[in-house]
Amino acid sequence: EAGVAQSPRYKIIEKRQSVAFWCNPISGHATLYWYQQILGQGPKLLIQFQNNGVVDDSQLPKDRFSAERLKGVDSTLKIQPAKLEDSAVYLCASSDTGSWGKLFFGSGTQLSVL
Amino acid sequence: AQSVTQLDSHVSVSEGTPVLLRCNYSSSYSPSLFWYVQHPNKGLQLLLKYTSAATLVKGINGFEAEFKKSETSFHLTKPSAHMSDAAEYFCVVSESWGTDKLIFGTGTRLQVFP
Repeated sequence: EAGVAQSPRYKIIEKRQSVAFWCNPISGHATLYWYQQILGQGPKLLIQFQNNGVVDDSQLPKDRFSAERLKGVDSTLKIQPAKLEDSAVYLCASSDTGSWGKLFFGSGTQLSVL
Repeated sequence: AQSVTQLDSHVSVSEGTPVLLRCNYSSSYSPSLFWYVQHPNKGLQLLLKYTSAATLVKGINGFEAEFKKSETSFHLTKPSAHMSDAAEYFCVVSESWGTDKLIFGTGTRLQVFP
C-alpha cells in the first residue's frame, strides 16, 4: 500500500515570497490533515478536510495560509506572503473513516524562510 | 482543554535495558490517548492507542502503555530497548471524544546506545 506522498521535500524561500506544498493521501482515505511542526515542538493541526469540505481550520492563519482539496483527493497548502516564523516542517496526514486517531503521515516538507 | 505533558525531552538507554517515556495528561472528560513515533526522515506512525477498553494497551514493536487515571499518566514502556527504537516519541490526546483532532506533546527523543 502506497503511503502519503508529499512534495517538495525541502524548500528555502525568502520572507514575503509565496510557497506551495502538495499532498497525495492514501487512496480511499476520506480525511486529510495539514500539520505544522516547529522545531522542538509537537505537530499542530492547521486544517482538516473531510472529502473536499473543511472540517476544522480554526488554527489556520487565514491572512496568509490557504488550503484546498480538489475532488476530495490531492491537497495543496499555500503560504503567501511567508514570514520568518513560518519556518517549520509541514506534515500531511490522512485517515480512513472510523479509524479514530489512526492517522498516516507523510514525511513532510521542511520549509526554511530566510 | 485537553493537553499532554511529556516529562522528559531526552531519554538515553543502553540496548537491552528497559525504556520508560513519561506522559501526563489533562482532560475534562475520559480521554483518548495515543503514542506516535517519528523515525528520522520518516512519517509519524501510530504505536498504540487507549480508548477506555483496557487500561494496559499493547502496541507495535513490543511497546505498551498503561492508563492510570489516579495519576493522570499514560507512560510508554518497553522491557528491552533495541537500536532501532531510537526515534522521537509523541504522547497525544484527542481534543474531544471520538474525534480525530489530535493534540501532540512536545516529544521525547530516545537514544539507544550499544
